Amino acid sequence: GDSVTQMEGPVTLSEEAFLTINCTYTATGYPSLFWYVQYPGEGLQLLLKATKADDKGSNKGFEATYRKETTSFHLEKGSVQVSDSAVYFCALSDRSTGKLIFGQGTTLQVKP
Amino acid sequence: DAEITQSPRHKITETGRQVTLACHQTWNHNNMFWYRQDLGHGLRLIHYSYGVQDTNKGEVSDGYSVSRSNTEDLPLTLESAASSQTSVYFCASRKDSRTGELFFGEGSRLTVL
Repeated sequence: GDSVTQMEGPVTLSEEAFLTINCTYTATGYPSLFWYVQYPGEGLQLLLKATKADDKGSNKGFEATYRKETTSFHLEKGSVQVSDSAVYFCALSDRSTGKLIFGQGTTLQVKP
Repeated sequence: DAEITQSPRHKITETGRQVTLACHQTWNHNNMFWYRQDLGHGLRLIHYSYGVQDTNKGEVSDGYSVSRSNTEDLPLTLESAASSQTSVYFCASRKDSRTGELFFGEGSRLTVL
């Protein structure tokens, strides 16, 4: 079945460092891909998405490109802030069932 | 503003008791989902519904049930709570499967003693 694999955390960075969180997926067909973010004590909220190969999703300085050839959707940010500390989830939407399948989540800690 | 709300936000119960977690959304979304979040497992799908009277099992449905009698609500029931069901539960909704984006509630933390 479809699945999503994320790099394990926690990821600890200093403020203004470059961020990459790896995400790879296995899917039949061509799923839509998402990054969700969960701040402490809150539910998940959509950060960005891409619906087809080579699409780039972007929001709040974060970017991710849908790479069909490597089945990846890595999250990047050029300069992280303390306020970016959160748990980040990669997810895919199965086009045949409509279900969203989430990765395990990666905790990001940004220190001043 | 439209929203999705869960209640209770925190609950402690005993093994064997029946527990119901409520989920209410005011967006008139067709699709609703229940997930549990556990350390090391991320989010796992329990049950989901694509419309009134429609319910489907997710990957970890044993011990849980849902019913969809109207568009706004999808209550999650634990028929006989077990310690393994101690978790944080999230309800989510979206307009339909084409839009993809889910909107999440703030979560319900359940402790089964």
